[in-house]
Amino acid sequence: EVQLVESGGGLVKPGGSLRLSCAASGFTFSSYSMNWVRQAPGKGLEWVSSISSSSSYIYYADSVKGRFTISRDNAKNSLYLQMNSLRAEDTAVYYCARDIARGFGVDYWGQGTLVTVSS
Amino acid sequence: DIVMTQTPLSLSVTPGQPASISCKSSQSLLHSDGKTYLYWYLQKPGQPPQLLIYEVSNRFSGVPDRFSGSGSGTDFTLKISRVEAEDVGVYYCMQSIQPMYTFGQGTKLEIK
Repeated sequence: EVQLVESGGGLVKPGGSLRLSCAASGFTFSSYSMNWVRQAPGKGLEWVSSISSSSSYIYYADSVKGRFTISRDNAKNSLYLQMNSLRAEDTAVYYCARDIARGFGVDYWGQGTLVTVSS
Repeated sequence: DIVMTQTPLSLSVTPGQPASISCKSSQSLLHSDGKTYLYWYLQKPGQPPQLLIYEVSNRFSGVPDRFSGSGSGTDFTLKISRVEAEDVGVYYCMQSIQPMYTFGQGTKLEIK
């Protein structure tokens, strides 16, 4: 069974930093591209960042480029999102999401971790 | 970025009746590999999104056959043949032809 478990969310002041983690199990993590997708309270889904299986290809939404860094450790079956210079508009539930095999698009999602940016 | 536009934004359906959601993209989602990268998700209240349909018309594992997807190019439709109470939530379309995925605004389905 595919499992994605996020952690690291919490309350942080504007301008602060936070590092999210996603622990993957139930599949060969090193074979899949991975994503972070967020959802502000009461709003829709917004793709944030993606990383290919070997970290060769990395993409960011314009809204987080230069502030967020995605990374992965295939030996630890883990995905990360380092978030710096946080703003109030970054407040959201952050989902770890797996890309589908042999194509592009998300098939499995974690339960999410809440990040609140407030003074 | 590709803009995804869903209609309607809300839907109220009697159990047993059909429902349909439209999704239009600002660019064709047909990839050079021959696949069309249009996905449908359902987010039930208090839960993460779950995949219903991938590549326009392929039902994901465990998805009931009352859900179907169709379309091509820039125009797509999700249909529920007979709505059930467990189908309530927000439905999203998503394009993945570009590395920066984008979602529609969401369509909220409620039961009458």
